[in-house]
Amino acid sequence: RKEVEQDPGPFNVPEGATVAFNCTYSNSASQSFFWYRQDCRKEPKLLMSVYSSGNEDGRFTAQLNRASQYISLLIRDSKLSDSATYLCVVNDYKLSFGAGTTVTVRA
Amino acid sequence: SQTIHQWPATLVQPVGSPLSLECTVEGTSNPNLYWYRQAAGRGLQLLFYSVGIGQISSEVPQNLSASRPQDRQFILSSKKLLLSDSGFYLCAWSTVRTSGGGRETQYFGPGTRLLVL
Repeated sequence: RKEVEQDPGPFNVPEGATVAFNCTYSNSASQSFFWYRQDCRKEPKLLMSVYSSGNEDGRFTAQLNRASQYISLLIRDSKLSDSATYLCVVNDYKLSFGAGTTVTVRA
Repeated sequence: SQTIHQWPATLVQPVGSPLSLECTVEGTSNPNLYWYRQAAGRGLQLLFYSVGIGQISSEVPQNLSASRPQDRQFILSSKKLLLSDSGFYLCAWSTVRTSGGGRETQYFGPGTRLLVL
């Protein structure tokens, strides 16, 4: 079983829609969690950390479910500029990256 | 503010040739440094990490090696490239882990796209 698994998508959504996707992880002792965003042929950039109580950053909401070992990302009021691949990252003693979920927002 | 540089940005090399990729970090001292490879459609694979000058940990045995000759310089090398070495190579840095452990945000350089023919 992979350490971090993500639905690769793509999720094709219209502008203004809400899109949400999950990421599961295998190590129950994992300490911290992140979402990174990666544009085509660019480096990953930190989108947000994920805290135990869940957290929000503008239109983005991240949630952690330790019992079921998954984290989620929800994007409200999607913009064209949200089109990217979103990488789920789990940290125990090192960062483990998911292969990414691709989101395409269409006009 | 901290910045991280990688070069070259793109590289096309023949099979069997040597490789040297360089990464430097500015604006921070004693960072943890990392080399990752991302193959097409795959997640990032950690290759090496370093917690200090001359300290290298290898995550995946292969024909690559890494060195850290200075605090903010990290070099990825190979004596003979294989076709399977093609990919997007990313260097990243993070601050030294706190005593609480586990909370370690990493920041990536712009990457080097390597094509081995």
